[in-house]
Amino acid sequence: KNEVEQSPQNLTAQEGEFITINCSYSVGISALHWLQQHPGGGIVSLFMLSSGKKKHGRLIATINIQEKHSSLHITASHPRDSAVYICAVWTSGTYKYIFGTGTRLKVLA
Amino acid sequence: DVKVTQSSRYLVKRTGEKVFLECVQDMDHENMFWYRQDPGLGLRLIYFSYDVKMKEKGDIPEGYSVSREKKERFSLILESASTNQTSMYLCASEQGYEQFFGPGTRLTVL
Repeated sequence: KNEVEQSPQNLTAQEGEFITINCSYSVGISALHWLQQHPGGGIVSLFMLSSGKKKHGRLIATINIQEKHSSLHITASHPRDSAVYICAVWTSGTYKYIFGTGTRLKVLA
Repeated sequence: DVKVTQSSRYLVKRTGEKVFLECVQDMDHENMFWYRQDPGLGLRLIYFSYDVKMKEKGDIPEGYSVSREKKERFSLILESASTNQTSMYLCASEQGYEQFFGPGTRLTVL
């Protein structure tokens, strides 16, 4: 079993829909990241969380430390949001960065 | 803004060749990483370096080596390329739990 699990693996949405991507982890963490990777490879960091909730434009990320769960929400989705979204955690105690396998999102116009 | 650059976006090599992938960061970060990314497997750590001339093996170091002679440059070396090393290779530098990724090199080994 992976230490960082994401769901769903693939997601297709219509433009304007509200989207949620989930991440569960089984290790103690110092921080959790949501990353975005567009076709072509480059990865950008969207959020770094250690507690609570963060918002940037149409993107919202939440984390529940007790439940070891985080969600990434996209409001009013747009075709340019089409990308792979990756959850990654820095473990606490050991210096290790563990990635989920990603959620491939396609937003149709 | 932090910038992490990689020497090539696309590379095609033949089995048995020695391959060098270079990564340069411009923010004086001490920690640098090499990952490979394969469909269904996500990103996996090959090696990381926490200082000049210092390196640590990651999860899949077999068939790879690294070099860090200067703080800003971290090189990944495939001593004798094999077809199972065909992959996307991503470099990153890190400070304060924030990783900054390069654009990636898609390597094909024929």
